[in-house]
Amino acid sequence: KAGVTQTPRYLIKTRGQQVTLSCSPISGHRSVSWYQQTPGQGLQFLFEYFSETQRNKGNFPGRFSGRQFSNSRSEMNVSTLELGDSALYLCASSPLRDLETDTQYFGPGTRLTVL
Amino acid sequence: GNSVTQMEGPVTLSEEAFLTINCTYTATGYPSLFWYVQYPGEGLQLLLKATKADDKGSNKGFEATYRKETTSFHLEKGSVQVSDSAVYFCALRAKAAGNKLTFGGGTRVLVKP
Repeated sequence: KAGVTQTPRYLIKTRGQQVTLSCSPISGHRSVSWYQQTPGQGLQFLFEYFSETQRNKGNFPGRFSGRQFSNSRSEMNVSTLELGDSALYLCASSPLRDLETDTQYFGPGTRLTVL
Repeated sequence: GNSVTQMEGPVTLSEEAFLTINCTYTATGYPSLFWYVQYPGEGLQLLLKATKADDKGSNKGFEATYRKETTSFHLEKGSVQVSDSAVYFCALRAKAAGNKLTFGGGTRVLVKP
């Protein structure tokens, strides 16, 4: 079974621009979560989507948004980029059949650099 | 709120040494606990997990036991290899928080030949 894929792997943008990152979950997985990883703040939860609906959201400004399509693929968008948005953005998928035993599987991440 | 605290690194060891990485947590109820590993330039890989008190998770020679009385989930390996050099993250998922994972700060481990 193919793992979680994320595109692009690397991205360089300038301040003020916007960016869209894509995530394809493992086949059959309906939940997709996004995390931001930075040296200073570590791994922080952005949001989770299930059946095209946002189920949970972390403490990030409204510039960070996402969506999920009917095939479970997900995109996240960051508008008006700031230098502090430079990070590794990780996507994770899970089947979400049983929350107690469920496991999230991570993709390789998208490295975003904002200049 | 929910939080995870793990020992700061880096931890430097010689090959075949014993590895312990401490992890303690704060959470309401009975969370599920996880150890993930991140190799350079890669995403996170699940190493092991435990979903209830006294459960022991194990994988690739690594073990961790869910200790409710001490709210801990320490990671151990009896004999490390150079290939175990990576960053290790302890994480919890509290039922009240849905499917959200809360991570510790990560511990970098360097194994020297």
